Amino acid sequence: EIVLTQSPGTLSLSPGERVTLSCGASQRVTSNYLAWYQQRLGQAPRLLIYGASSRATGIPDRFSGSGSGTDFTLTISRLEPEDFAVYYCQQYGSSPITFGQGTRLEIK
Amino acid sequence: QVQLVESGGGVVQPGRSLRLSCAASGFTFTNYPVHWVRQSPGKGLEWLALTSYDGSDKYYSDSVKGRFTVSRDNSKNTLYLQMNILGDEDTAVYYCARGPSVKGHWYFENWGQGTLVTVSS
Repeated sequence: EIVLTQSPGTLSLSPGERVTLSCGASQRVTSNYLAWYQQRLGQAPRLLIYGASSRATGIPDRFSGSGSGTDFTLTISRLEPEDFAVYYCQQYGSSPITFGQGTRLEIK
Repeated sequence: QVQLVESGGGVVQPGRSLRLSCAASGFTFTNYPVHWVRQSPGKGLEWLALTSYDGSDKYYSDSVKGRFTVSRDNSKNTLYLQMNILGDEDTAVYYCARGPSVKGHWYFENWGQGTLVTVSS
C-alpha cells in the first residue's frame, strides 16, 4: 500500500499570499496518478487536480499541481477567503487507492 | 448538474447490518463507475469499494472485503452499499463518488453530501 504523507499539517496564512502544499509518496506513483481535493468545513471533498497537474472542470487557474514519482505539490498562487480549507492528496496508480492525511489551511 | 444523494445512515448496533443508497441525477449513470468512500476522524478518508459502469466489475478495500457489498441498479440510477457485521471502526461519514468515464482512472470527480453511520450499542 502506498502511504501518502502531506506536509505541513497546518498552515496559517493571509488572503493574497501564495502557498505550496506537499504530498510525498512511500513508493513511486504509477503514471503520476495523483489527485488533489479541497474540503471546506461541513462539505464533501471537491476535486481540484487529477493526473498530478490537470485542473478539474471549473477550478480556478490559481490552483496548479506539479510533481512526479514520489513528490507532488499543490500551489495556490493567491489565496482567496474561500480557499481556507483542508486539502487532501490521493493516489490512484496502485491498489488500494490511498489518501494523505490532509493539510489544513487556516486564516492568519 | 451532477447530483449524488446518499441515504440510509443512522445509528446501528455492533454486529448488525445497514444498507446505504446513493441516488444519482444530472448525468448518464450507466456511463460511469461509482465508488464508496468514508471519512472518520481517526482514519481520515478511506476508499471502500468500486463498481464499474454496468456492475460487472467490483473492487473492495481489504478492510471491508467480505463484509460489504457494492451494487447498482442502472434502471433506478442508484448505487448501494450493503454493510454487514458492523463494528466501531465503521463509524464514519459515507460518501458516494463518481469516477471519470475513462477506464482505470480511480479518482473522484463528484461527491455526494455524505450520510453518517454510527455504530454504537
